[in-house]
Amino acid sequence: SQKIEQNSEALNIQEGKTATLTCNYTNYSPAYLQWYRQDPGRGPVFLLLIRENEKEKRKERLKVTFDTTLKQSLFHITASQPADSATYLCALARSGYSTLTFGKGTMLLVSP
Amino acid sequence: DAGVIQSPRHEVTEMGQEVTLRCKPISGHDYLFWYRQTMMRGLELLIYFNNNVPIDDSGMPEDRFSAKMPNASFSTLKIQPSEPRDSAVYFCASSLTGGNPSTDTQYFGPGTRLTVL
Repeated sequence: SQKIEQNSEALNIQEGKTATLTCNYTNYSPAYLQWYRQDPGRGPVFLLLIRENEKEKRKERLKVTFDTTLKQSLFHITASQPADSATYLCALARSGYSTLTFGKGTMLLVSP
Repeated sequence: DAGVIQSPRHEVTEMGQEVTLRCKPISGHDYLFWYRQTMMRGLELLIYFNNNVPIDDSGMPEDRFSAKMPNASFSTLKIQPSEPRDSAVYFCASSLTGGNPSTDTQYFGPGTRLTVL
């Protein structure tokens, strides 16, 4: 069956370090992958998109990689700040489909 | 634009009662999605519409759930009768298109937290 896995345990890091979150998938052939941020009591907010033929995408302090051989995407936040504390969800889109399938998300806690 | 608007933000009801959740998508967006989020199951797609027409309702858990989109600016999700296991946060999202990575970013509303006692 199709499965998207994100680390269910919260990631605790210190301010200034690089946070790395993982999204693994099985039995999918995603055309592209998106990362969203969700704060408590709010809806997810789109951050970055990476296509299947792209290896890496950057936006300010954010970097996403996509390895279709490993079936994995990594999401990096460099020089992390306490304001980066949130839950981060990956979402996969299959070619020809209009919908996204979301992982359960990983909570990131950045301490000062 | 005010973004996706949902009401109510919180709903507490008793088992067996009818619940109606409301959503106003972003103007000009052709796609509207209803999701349910729980700790156990994460964010699950219930149903989505394209140009007010329901396209896929395979995620709707039971016949107790129904959704409508009478026009481009309004959609409802109804649960009748409600049960305690329906307790969750329900999100509405809209996107300009679907299936096109350049324009299918989904914009989520703030959600409705439903508690069924």
